[in-house]
Amino acid sequence: AQSVTQLDSQVPVFEEAPVELRCNYSSSVSVYLFWYVQYPNQGLQLLLKYLSGSTLVKGINGFEAEFNKSQTSFHLRKPSVHISDTAEYFCAVHSYTGGFKTIFGAGTRLFVKA
Amino acid sequence: GAGVSQTPSNKVTEKGKYVELRCDPISGHTALYWYRQSLGQGPEFLIYFQGTGAADDSGLPNDRFFAVRPEGSVSTLKIQRTERGDSAVYLCASSLQGHTGELFFGEGSRLTVL
Repeated sequence: AQSVTQLDSQVPVFEEAPVELRCNYSSSVSVYLFWYVQYPNQGLQLLLKYLSGSTLVKGINGFEAEFNKSQTSFHLRKPSVHISDTAEYFCAVHSYTGGFKTIFGAGTRLFVKA
Repeated sequence: GAGVSQTPSNKVTEKGKYVELRCDPISGHTALYWYRQSLGQGPEFLIYFQGTGAADDSGLPNDRFFAVRPEGSVSTLKIQRTERGDSAVYLCASSLQGHTGELFFGEGSRLTVL
């Protein structure tokens, strides 16, 4: 069975500071990895994805993430955050275990302060 | 708009009543997913359709929950004898093909059981 652990439930950070949101996963099969973002009062939208190839993937709004297979991690980073990045961020694992299924972590609330 | 549409956006019902939640996916998307999101939690997988058939319904919590997708497009999530613990936001997502894993979410149906 797959599982996703987001190590921080809340991350407060000042505007223009760097941020890292941590994600670890567990799976017995190959996985695809995703980060989704949920802005206040909006639906979830894809931020970035890792399917194969380069382990460093870039997404929208200046975010990037690095897949580390040996550490089973997929941490999300941004070198300089904006107030508008305040949102809930979800790490997700997609794999085939008798059927295709995406499992989400509990989420990390990023709060950017002026 | 060509996004995923969910209706109703809000539903308040009494304990013991029957509820239907509808999802209209993006045209041409063969895969459709239902998730449930409780306050402060990540989306919890309920069921996945590939075409008309339920490819994985392992996340349905009990036999009060049922979902259909008779023509391979619109899906309905049905909850019988609702309980207060069923209160949550029910999310629908569609994907072009199930194996790629990139999900497009609707804005959800908020269910409140009094």
